[in-house]
Amino acid sequence: AQSVTQLDSHVSVSEGTPVLLRCNYSSSYSPSLFWYVQHPNKGLQLLLKYTSAATLVKGINGFEAEFKKSETSFHLTKPSAHMSDAAEYFCVVSGKSGRRALTFGSGTRLQVQP
Amino acid sequence: EAGVAQSPRYKIIEKRQSVAFWCNPISGHATLYWYQQILGQGPKLLIQFQNNGVVDDSQLPKDRFSAERLKGVDSTLKIQPAKLEDSAVYLCASSGLGSYEQYFGPGTRLTVT
Repeated sequence: AQSVTQLDSHVSVSEGTPVLLRCNYSSSYSPSLFWYVQHPNKGLQLLLKYTSAATLVKGINGFEAEFKKSETSFHLTKPSAHMSDAAEYFCVVSGKSGRRALTFGSGTRLQVQP
Repeated sequence: EAGVAQSPRYKIIEKRQSVAFWCNPISGHATLYWYQQILGQGPKLLIQFQNNGVVDDSQLPKDRFSAERLKGVDSTLKIQPAKLEDSAVYLCASSGLGSYEQYFGPGTRLTVT
């Protein structure tokens, strides 16, 4: 079985400062990992994905995540926060081949202060 | 390319009533998923279809929930009878065969009173 733990339920940053959203995973196989973003009253949007290629993954809107197997982590970062980044972020692990349903973390709400 | 369509967007019912949700995946996507997202939590898988067959329904409360995808395209999810704890957003997602990437619809927000 696989699981993800998002270490912070809320993160607040000032506009223009770095963003760090932390995620640890547990999996009995080599996982595929994702970050999804959910803006209020909008659908889930894929930010980025790791599927066993490069460990540093670049996504949309300037976000990046680094897969660290030794630490079982997949933290999401952005050098400079923008007001439009305020949303709920989910760290996600995929099931094994053939049963690729996603297991979501509990989410981190990012607030961006002006 | 059209995205995943869901209807209705909102539904309010009383407990013990029945309700149905509809999903039309992205054209050509073989795999379809239904997730339940309770307020303040991440989505949780209810059922996964590949074409018109069920791949995983281990977390579907089968005494009250049912789902079908008869022609391998669109799908319906039904709750009968509804309970207060079924209040949630029901999300449909689809993916191409063999792909990890899932595309989500806007969801149906269900309120059970």
